[in-house]
Amino acid sequence: EIVLTQSPGTLSLSPGERATLSCRASQSVSSKFLAWYQQKPGQAPRLLMYRASSRATGVPDRFSGSGSGTDFTLTISRLEPEDFAVYFCQQYGNSPLYTFGQGTKLEIK
Amino acid sequence: QVQLQESGPGLVRPSETLSLTCSASGGSIRTGSYYWSWIRQPAGKRLEWIGRIYTSGSTTYSPSFRSRVTISIDTSKNQFSLQMNSVTAADTALYFCARVVEYDDAFDIWGHGTVVTVSS
Repeated sequence: EIVLTQSPGTLSLSPGERATLSCRASQSVSSKFLAWYQQKPGQAPRLLMYRASSRATGVPDRFSGSGSGTDFTLTISRLEPEDFAVYFCQQYGNSPLYTFGQGTKLEIK
Repeated sequence: QVQLQESGPGLVRPSETLSLTCSASGGSIRTGSYYWSWIRQPAGKRLEWIGRIYTSGSTTYSPSFRSRVTISIDTSKNQFSLQMNSVTAADTALYFCARVVEYDDAFDIWGHGTVVTVSS
């Protein structure tokens, strides 16, 4: 099983700042199959990025993804108030087909 | 835009069967290249993928659930379902249904989730 470890657990930043979230895999992950999601309390998760660096429909271009192998990054270039949420990564690979990171909480400083 | 909505009992007795249904609206689950999946999130823990089904009825399950889970699909009703047998308190969680984009293998549409508590 590929285990995804996200860091930091909590990130405290102010609106306008840049956020960098990390997702590290226990084994190499194809960049074709690494996705990022945003989840706000009481809401369904929202797909942000797929194939590591492709933005999902309607996602603002302040969100970007990068990485390969075992290290992937989600960057939010300039935080807006609505960006404060929990973010988690997900990979597709060997059994089980899909695994998720434990999440990074992005909170207002 | 397809929307998904989970439904089912919020309370299940230990050793009994958990049954949930995911109803799609705004589009047909028969169209496009998608899998239909169940995912759960125990309180304070990470998301766990349970299994997926294609419109053909072909299924793939996580090894953690394979022995006691069945996912089925009813395209005439535009819905798919989860049955989990022999539940215990460890199965208490927020259960989501979601659509998986084939070839990208990302979950692009999610239901809002339904809480299932296993307790006597």
